[in-house]
Amino acid sequence: DAGVTQSPTHLIKTRGQHVTLRCSPISGHKSVSWYQQVLGQGPQFIFQYYEKEERGRGNFPDRFSARQFPNYSSELNVNALLLGDSALYLCASSWDRGAYEQYFGPGTRLTVT
Amino acid sequence: EDQVTQSPEALRLQEGESSSLNCSYTVSGLRGLFWYRQDPGKGPEFLFTLYSAGEEKEKERLKATLTKKESFLHITAPKPEDSATYLCAVQAESGGGADGLTFGKGTHLIIQP
Repeated sequence: DAGVTQSPTHLIKTRGQHVTLRCSPISGHKSVSWYQQVLGQGPQFIFQYYEKEERGRGNFPDRFSARQFPNYSSELNVNALLLGDSALYLCASSWDRGAYEQYFGPGTRLTVT
Repeated sequence: EDQVTQSPEALRLQEGESSSLNCSYTVSGLRGLFWYRQDPGKGPEFLFTLYSAGEEKEKERLKATLTKKESFLHITAPKPEDSATYLCAVQAESGGGADGLTFGKGTHLIIQP
């Protein structure tokens, strides 16, 4: 059974540009969450989507947005990139809302120059 | 604000030398506490979920326990392949409807042969 997949694996962007990251959850999972992990820190919650609706948002600026599609895959968009946006972006899926295990993908390494 | 503090930040052990990692948490109503393992450059790998004080779970050489203020990850007779960063995360009851996890910074564990 395939796990959570993310694309691309690595990405290099320039300050001010826009980026779109993609995630496909485990088959049957309805909830997708996005996290940002800066080197040396634990992941930080950005968004949760469930049944195509935003269910929660962490402490991130409006430059960050996301959406979930009918097949439960998801996109994370970041506008007006800053150097501080350089991080590993992780997608996690769980089969439903609530205190269920969240399974993480391999992440997308974003470097902003 | 939910907080998770892990100690020590780094731990170096000899193969076979048992030890424990600590995770102290402050949360407004614990829905669940999660342990993950993360290898360099990869996404976190789910290990355990604990829901209430007194609960224990085991998997191979790992055992997780939970009290009202902290959780321990006990590693018995570790092997070099147990080397990784171990992350602790909490999910709060008062998450505003979101299931986002609050992570600690992790404990970087090195097992020397």
